[in-house]
Amino acid sequence: SQQGEEDPQALSIQEGENATMNCSYKTSINNLQWYRQNSGRGLVHLILIRSNEREKHSGRLRVTLDTSKKSSSLLITASRAADTASYFCATGFNTDKLIFGTGTRLQVFP
Amino acid sequence: SQTIHQWPATLVQPVGSPLSLECTVEGTSNPNLYWYRQAAGRGLQLLFYSVGIGQISSEVPQNLSASRPQDRQFILSSKKLLLSDSGFYLCAWTGDRGDEQYFGPGTRLTVT
Repeated sequence: SQQGEEDPQALSIQEGENATMNCSYKTSINNLQWYRQNSGRGLVHLILIRSNEREKHSGRLRVTLDTSKKSSSLLITASRAADTASYFCATGFNTDKLIFGTGTRLQVFP
Repeated sequence: SQTIHQWPATLVQPVGSPLSLECTVEGTSNPNLYWYRQAAGRGLQLLFYSVGIGQISSEVPQNLSASRPQDRQFILSSKKLLLSDSGFYLCAWTGDRGDEQYFGPGTRLTVT
């Protein structure tokens, strides 16, 4: 079964607005990662947050992790049309494999 | 720099035919390699992963098999395709730290 579940399944916003996506998981993790997938393409790694971290930033991305609630959020600030994509969280238990969530489809209208 | 290749990019095969998808990685050695399948509009399902030549772990019992004949080559195969094998197949490898995964461009397989 899927470890991660993203919420919402789909999100539509205007350029310049912020987009927030949430991920919940079920078991203890070593790290949680966020990936982006443009339509029909491979996934691109965005950011990794370890289980002992609470918040991490990378450019316009901000990720938070709450291990007590087994949840994470990805915030994209000042969104652009080019941010239109599907976003997946993935949980890591060791260095061998990740379990991916079901994804959030983000549409940013110009 | 490291790159990952997959081919073919698209494939249309009849039910019952064999399958061979290839993935190769350049610019790194002894990577962990992964095969995923993604159904339309869905998340990724891990099919196989390999930590070394000849070492294959299967995550989901199914009609598919994987092999790793060389350090940087990962092959996904089937003897007889089913309609349910249709999907987008992605190969990935782990970076030096073994955490982030880097994905290939994918193969779109349609079984008719």
